[in-house]
Amino acid sequence: AQSVSQHNHHVILSEAASLELGCNYSYGGTVNLFWYVQYPGQHLQLLLKYFSGDPLVKGIKGFEAEFIKSKFSFNLRKPSVQWSDTAEYFCAVNNQGGKLIFGQGTELSVKP
Amino acid sequence: GAGVSQSPSNKVTEKGKDVELRCDPISGHTALYWYRQSLGQGLEFLIYFQGNSAPDKSGLPSDRFSAERTGGSVSTLTIQRTQQEDSAVYLCASSISPLRANTGELFFGEGSRLTVL
Repeated sequence: AQSVSQHNHHVILSEAASLELGCNYSYGGTVNLFWYVQYPGQHLQLLLKYFSGDPLVKGIKGFEAEFIKSKFSFNLRKPSVQWSDTAEYFCAVNNQGGKLIFGQGTELSVKP
Repeated sequence: GAGVSQSPSNKVTEKGKDVELRCDPISGHTALYWYRQSLGQGLEFLIYFQGNSAPDKSGLPSDRFSAERTGGSVSTLTIQRTQQEDSAVYLCASSISPLRANTGELFFGEGSRLTVL
């Protein structure tokens, strides 16, 4: 069965620090990969997604993620975080059209 | 409205009662998903409807949970004989098509917070 693992449950950073959130999945076939974000009091929204092509994907608000097929990974990065990036981040994987499976989420707290 | 609509936004019930949670997806979206969000558990997949195909019920935790989607639009998640461990936020999402195309994206509702006393 598909599964998604996010290694960090809670990350605390100061503003301007660099961010990398880990995501690994277990599925041998072709996958589509997503990162969703949930800001405090808001609903989940798409941050970025990978379907095919360039494995380095750029999303909104300066976020990017790199798909490394050999490592079954899709880590999320941002060079310099802001206080407004405080949120919960979810990685998700889909095996070509079926259900979307999410990881446990990583809570990011950015100190001003 | 233009987004996914869920009701009620909050529901408090007593253990053993049945509850129904409603989801109204974005018009024209053929795929509908239910998830459960609990503290420390992330988003747990429950069920997935795609057009007229048989739903993928593989995530339903027990036979107390069921869901319907009438007319390819509105969906109702029913929890019978609620237990305290059912307390969670139940999220509904819809997408315009199966997530094959590069345009594939789930749009989420605000969720229904269920508290079982």
